[in-house]
Amino acid sequence: QVQLQESGPGLVKPSGTLSLTCAVSGGSISSSNWWSWVRQSPGKGLEWIGEIYHSGSANYNPSLKSRVTISVDKSKNQFSLKLTSVTAADTAVYYCARYCSGGTCYSFDYWGQGTLVTVSS
Amino acid sequence: DIQMTQSPSSLSASVGDRVTISCRANQSISTYLNWYQQKPGKAPKVLIYAASSLQSGVPSRFSGGGSGTDFTLSISSLQFEDFATYHCQQSYTTPWTFGQGTNVEIK
Repeated sequence: QVQLQESGPGLVKPSGTLSLTCAVSGGSISSSNWWSWVRQSPGKGLEWIGEIYHSGSANYNPSLKSRVTISVDKSKNQFSLKLTSVTAADTAVYYCARYCSGGTCYSFDYWGQGTLVTVSS
Repeated sequence: DIQMTQSPSSLSASVGDRVTISCRANQSISTYLNWYQQKPGKAPKVLIYAASSLQSGVPSRFSGGGSGTDFTLSISSLQFEDFATYHCQQSYTTPWTFGQGTNVEIK
C-alpha cells in the first residue's frame, strides 16, 4: 500500500517561500507514475499545482508556473514543492498525490493527509 | 485550461435516496473524467475513473457515466457514510482541473 506524507512549515511570511516535502513509502518513486501537488484553499475547490516524474521532467499549472518548482530525490524516495513570493491567497491545505498513468489508470489514486500552510506575518 | 462545472453546488438528501451529480467540461474530454469523494478534514478519495470504471473497493451503489462534455455520478441508495463533497476532475490534458465540488448534506 503506497503512503504519502507531507512535511514542512505550517506558517510562512508574506513574500517568503513555501517549502514542502512529500515522503513516499510502500512503493518506489521511480515507478511509472507522476507525483503531484494539489492545494485547497479554505472552503474552495481543488487546484492542481504541478507534477514531476522520476526522471525529473515536470509540468506546472500555468497560473503558478512562474513561482513553482517541483523536484525529486530518488535516493530518499521523496519529492518537494517550492512556491515563491507567497501571499495570503496561497493559504491552503497542500496535498501531495500520486497520479497513476498507465493502462486505463489516469487519476490521483493515492493522497497524503494534507498539511495546512498559512501565509501571515 | 479546461473548465469543469459541477451542478448542483450542494444538495440535501435522505438516506436511501438516489442522488445524481452532474459535471460539464467546456470542451470534449472523451471519457477522461474522474470522480472523488472528500470528507471534512480528509484527502479526496477516487471513486470512479475513466468516467464509468469503479475504483477497487468502492461500493457498487456508486456509478458514473457520460462522455465528451457531460458526465454524471450517481449514488443508487444514499448511505450515511456518503454524506461528503464530490469533485470531478478531467485527465485529458494538463493542467489537470477539478470542478468546484458538490456538497451532499443530510436532509
